[in-house]
Amino acid sequence: GQQVMQIPQYQHVQEGEDFTTYCNSSTTLSNIQWYKQRPGGHPVFLIQLVKSGEVKKQKRLTFQFGEAKKNSSLHITATQTTDVGTYFCAGGGGATNKLIFGTGTLLAVQP
Amino acid sequence: NAGVTQTPKFQVLKTGQSMTLQCAQDMNHEYMSWYRQDPGMGLRLIHYSVGAGITDQGEVPNGYNVSRSTTEDFPLRLLSAAPSQTSVYFCASSYQTDRGHYGYTFGSGTRLTVV
Repeated sequence: GQQVMQIPQYQHVQEGEDFTTYCNSSTTLSNIQWYKQRPGGHPVFLIQLVKSGEVKKQKRLTFQFGEAKKNSSLHITATQTTDVGTYFCAGGGGATNKLIFGTGTLLAVQP
Repeated sequence: NAGVTQTPKFQVLKTGQSMTLQCAQDMNHEYMSWYRQDPGMGLRLIHYSVGAGITDQGEVPNGYNVSRSTTEDFPLRLLSAAPSQTSVYFCASSYQTDRGHYGYTFGSGTRLTVV
């Protein structure tokens, strides 16, 4: 079945450093979504990418969808302590287009 | 709008007991789903529904039942609780576009411990 892998599992950065998490799917995706989960909270939707090679920005966050629609990345420029949390990618595909989540990347930011 | 409401927030069960986790949404979303979250495993899909009266299995359906009699409600039933079902359970809903299920809204979760 469809699998979505995410690396790294954990990243510790100093405040102000950049951060990138990568997502890879075993199958071609119809769309990819990114979510953020604060410690003790629930996942919150950030963005959806649909087109091959698509790049979207939200302030300091840059999201990319690969040309083959099998991989994606999230890059955070100049991290802040408010960026702390787990970032999940989720790939949609197949007949029902249900989302399969990656394992997540836990970001820790040291002030 | 309340969004997605899950009850209870916390629950302790004994092995073999059954219970129902409630999920309700007020956004008229067609699509609803249940995930469990375990450390290092991400979010794994248990069951999902594309509309009232229609349900299907996800990645880890064993030991769980669902039904969808209305658009708003999507309860998850644990038939005979086992320690392996200790987890955090999230319900999510979304609407369908031509680009797929857009922007899941998650409930606040149910933290279940089976002893």
